[in-house]
Amino acid sequence: EAGVAQSPRYKIIEKRQSVAFWCNPISGHATLYWYQQILGQGPKLLIQFQNNGVVDDSQLPKDRFSAERLKGVDSTLKIQPAKLEDSAVYLCASSRGNTIYFGEGSWLTVV
Amino acid sequence: GNSVTQMEGPVTLSEEAFLTINCTYTATGYPSLFWYVQYPGEGLQLLLKATKADDKGSNKGFEATYRKETTSFHLEKGSVQVSDSAVYFCALGSVGGAQKLVFGQGTRLTINP
Repeated sequence: EAGVAQSPRYKIIEKRQSVAFWCNPISGHATLYWYQQILGQGPKLLIQFQNNGVVDDSQLPKDRFSAERLKGVDSTLKIQPAKLEDSAVYLCASSRGNTIYFGEGSWLTVV
Repeated sequence: GNSVTQMEGPVTLSEEAFLTINCTYTATGYPSLFWYVQYPGEGLQLLLKATKADDKGSNKGFEATYRKETTSFHLEKGSVQVSDSAVYFCALGSVGGAQKLVFGQGTRLTINP
């Protein structure tokens, strides 16, 4: 079974630029998550989708972050404009039942 | 709200030593508990889980027991290897509905040969 796929793996951008990350969940998984992991910390949930509807986006900085999940499969997370403090690993995950499976992450450096 | 507190790292051990990484949690109800591992440059991998009190999760020689009375889920391994060097995260799942994880801050483990 293929795992959660993410791209790009690494991205370096200047502050105030924009960036987009893509995620393809495990086939058949209705729930999709985006987590932010800042160096030295545990992952923090940004947004959770159930099919193509948003379940929880309470910790998403909506002035600069946006996410969508068209057709209930792939998802895109966008940051515009980026700030230095957005430097982190962005982890996509999916689940069916009570176990969540993570992708390898997209590493963002904002300079 | 729900929270997880992990033993602070980093932890450095010699090969074949006994490992314990402490994890305690605060939550209402009976959430599922998880340990995830993150190897250098990789994403999070599920190591083990327990879904109810007194359950023991185990995988790759690691074990953790869900202790409701002490609100703990300590990770143990009897004899660690160099390949176990990684960051370990304890996580708390939500009660009912779609799963949602709250993570501890992580414990970096280094095993020396």
